[in-house]
Amino acid sequence: SYVLTQPPSVSVAPGKTARITCGGNNIGSKSVHWYQQKPGQAPVLVIYYDSDRPSGIPERFSGSNSGNTATLTISRVEAGDEADYYCQVWDSSSDHQVFGTGTKVTVL
Amino acid sequence: QITLKESGPTLVKPTQTLTLTCTFSGFSLSTSGVGVGWIRQPPGKALEWLALIYWDDDKRYSPSLKSRLTITKDTSKNQVVLTMTNMDPVDTATYYCARVIVVVPTILFDYWGQGTLVTVSS
Repeated sequence: SYVLTQPPSVSVAPGKTARITCGGNNIGSKSVHWYQQKPGQAPVLVIYYDSDRPSGIPERFSGSNSGNTATLTISRVEAGDEADYYCQVWDSSSDHQVFGTGTKVTVL
Repeated sequence: QITLKESGPTLVKPTQTLTLTCTFSGFSLSTSGVGVGWIRQPPGKALEWLALIYWDDDKRYSPSLKSRLTITKDTSKNQVVLTMTNMDPVDTATYYCARVIVVVPTILFDYWGQGTLVTVSS
């Protein structure tokens, strides 16, 4: 089965840039979606189709995808960005959904 | 405005069957390209996809749980029901339903319910 690997945690100072990776075999050939989950809340879609932002998501959130790694970038990090972040793809070979292992972003 | 809400028991005993209902509004499950999925999250752990049902009644299940899951829809009631048999304490989790958008070659979950915590204990 397809596996998506994320670093367990990323720490970043306010105003700096956070980069969260999502590793998978040839993930660059798939569309990657990213979800933000704040404590006690449901996940929220923040990036879809690798780099598109839903309405209402700040431009500070961006995404890229190439080779074996997709990346979610949060620029000018704010305290309110502290959350868990998950990547997700559709594995066409099995026709199943796959979520990444999740990354906790801590704002110092 | 699109909303989804999960309902069902908060406590089930081991070996019992769990039945969860997702009641949604703001979209129709008869619209091409639309579906509803279930995802769960054990306390302190990652998201795990369980099942999804498409507008045309096609269904997909997590391979690791396929034998225990059944997903159905009632389009007229705007509801999707998930049943999971033979519940075990390791199935203790928050269960979410979410709207699915299909744009080949991908599927994404664009709106989520608030989730419901199900505890499995005798």
